[in-house]
Amino acid sequence: QKEVEQDPGPLSVPEGAIVSLNCTYSNSAFQYFMWYRQYSRKGPELLMYTYSSGNKEDGRFTAQVDKSSKYISLFIRDSQPSDSATYLCAMSAVPGTYKYIFGTGTRLKVLA
Amino acid sequence: GAVVSQHPSRVICKSGTSVKIECRSLDFQATTMFWYRQFPKQSLMLMATSNEGSKATYEQGVEKDKFLINHASLTLSTLTVTSAHPEDSSFYICSAMDRENIQYFGAGTRLSVL
Repeated sequence: QKEVEQDPGPLSVPEGAIVSLNCTYSNSAFQYFMWYRQYSRKGPELLMYTYSSGNKEDGRFTAQVDKSSKYISLFIRDSQPSDSATYLCAMSAVPGTYKYIFGTGTRLKVLA
Repeated sequence: GAVVSQHPSRVICKSGTSVKIECRSLDFQATTMFWYRQFPKQSLMLMATSNEGSKATYEQGVEKDKFLINHASLTLSTLTVTSAHPEDSSFYICSAMDRENIQYFGAGTRLSVL
């Protein structure tokens, strides 16, 4: 079993839809949870990060962490074609080596 | 957000040559930087952890003599692919970690070895 599981997609949604992206993990030591967006042939761009449990909102993006279920989510409201990209979740344990464990990434396509 | 600059963005070279890739944190100091390799439609594979002023820590299976890493200052790390061969062709991405342990990534370098 991988430490972090993420559905690779692709996930296709119509413009304006609410998108839900998820990752599950097995290591209860993870404390930092990140979401990155990666466009084709570009480096990952940090969207959200949370420490421990709870929700965090930034514009159209909301990140949720449920440590009891070992489950994290990223919600995108009013999705736009420009949101079409691969979304990577990443996690790390503290204290530790600060290395991130990445999900495989979910490819999202928002159709105009 | 923090900015990480990576150069060059694209390299095409002949087999047997060495290629140097630079990674700079522009607006913060990074004690730790990371080097990743990414194959098409796959996630990032960590190659090594670069610590300022000390030797890099390589992941299992990564040849340290093949992929030389130097972290000369708190804002600069370099990756040199020595005697590159076609199988080294890939997308290489660096990241720099800030004081809150958040990694910010460069734009990546696409290496093609002919």
